Amino acid sequence: GAVVSQHPSWVICKSGTSVKIECRSLDFQATTMFWYRQFPKQSLMLMATSNEGSKATYEQGVEKDKFLINHASLTLSTLTVTSAHPEDSSFYICSALSGPQRGQYFGPGTRLTVT
Amino acid sequence: SQQGEEDPQALSIQEGENATMNCSYKTSINNLQWYRQNSGRGLVHLILIRSNEREKHSGRLRVTLDTSKKSSSLLITASRAADTASYFCATALGGGGADGLTFGKGTHLIIQP
Repeated sequence: GAVVSQHPSWVICKSGTSVKIECRSLDFQATTMFWYRQFPKQSLMLMATSNEGSKATYEQGVEKDKFLINHASLTLSTLTVTSAHPEDSSFYICSALSGPQRGQYFGPGTRLTVT
Repeated sequence: SQQGEEDPQALSIQEGENATMNCSYKTSINNLQWYRQNSGRGLVHLILIRSNEREKHSGRLRVTLDTSKKSSSLLITASRAADTASYFCATALGGGGADGLTFGKGTHLIIQP
């Protein structure tokens, strides 16, 4: 089956620093990847849609200058949280689309803690 | 805004019993999906039901969809301790299947051994 990995699985950083999270589709090419955020005991919220070779599309309320998304290849999308603050602490999950009507495959998530 | 709303928010049952979770949504959909999430982990896709389907089975899972009521249910039969997890319904609005998902708030299911 389709496998999506994320790296790192968890990260602790200091307030004001930037953190990069990678999302890779391991055995398929994904022209589209999605980034979600999940706060404790809450549901997942779509942050942005990442398309290979083009700019990401952000959901309303998500700051594009704070959450930089790069989808440089068909197997890799990165999310960079810039100038992180404690309120950015969350569980970030990516998913990759293996093709129209084939569903999304989710990564295992990255837990970010900003101190 | 949240598209799906699950109920109950939490459900605790004895092992071997059946668990039923419900999901309601607000707008027209092309399909509805159910996912499981173990604590602090990623999502596992359980089942997808298309808008022209009314019921679908997969092992111990049974999903129904009522588009007139904009609701879906997930039934887990003969529950096991390993079924303890949070369950989310999710909808994609786009017709091409290439849209992000909108998740419900989830039902936290606890199976007591």
